[in-house]
Amino acid sequence: DIQMTQSPSTLSASVGDRVTITCRASQSISSWLAWYQQKPGRAPKLLIYKASSLNSGVPSRFSGSGSGTEFTLTISSLQPDDFATYYCQQYNSYPYTFGPGTKLEIK
Amino acid sequence: EVQLLESGGGLVQPGGSLRLSCAASGFTFSSYAMSWVRQAPGKGLEWVSVISSSGGSTYYADSVKGRFTISRDTSKNTLYLQMNSLRADDTAVYYCARNSFGDAISDWGQGTLVTVSS
Repeated sequence: DIQMTQSPSTLSASVGDRVTITCRASQSISSWLAWYQQKPGRAPKLLIYKASSLNSGVPSRFSGSGSGTEFTLTISSLQPDDFATYYCQQYNSYPYTFGPGTKLEIK
Repeated sequence: EVQLLESGGGLVQPGGSLRLSCAASGFTFSSYAMSWVRQAPGKGLEWVSVISSSGGSTYYADSVKGRFTISRDTSKNTLYLQMNSLRADDTAVYYCARNSFGDAISDWGQGTLVTVSS
């Protein structure tokens, strides 16, 4: 099975900051990677698919990059609504797997 | 608007069974692969299972293989998850989800809580 890791596990930042979250796969997953945002008590929301494609309705301050085994999610200028937990997921091969999550907190 | 409405969650004893349902609307159900994802209390997301648009292919996480069965009824626009031999570590919110963009999960239900406890 493909293992996914994320760093950092927790990130403290301020409104207006540029932040980057890294996701690594234990083997190559090409570009079959998605990023999700989840707020407490809510279902996750798809932000990015195929490593760098922005889902409809997602603000352009979110961007994704990478291929193979290393990927990043960048938020160019943090907004109050962005404080949440972020998960990556590989869908290159079964069983699909999620990363452990990165909690983005207000500094 | 895509809507996914789960039902069937609740309290069950270890070793028991439960069937979750997910009523889908707002899209052509037969055209999309569908998934179940779960989240234990205070924990991260865990992918559980996927079924192809035709229902002909199914895949499972190692943790549920042999105990859970995913299925779909296109006539009812409904996705199912039959869960047998339930264990305490199956306790979680179970989300029904629609796959798009090559199997990313584009749409999620609100989730249904399954608690396995004596």
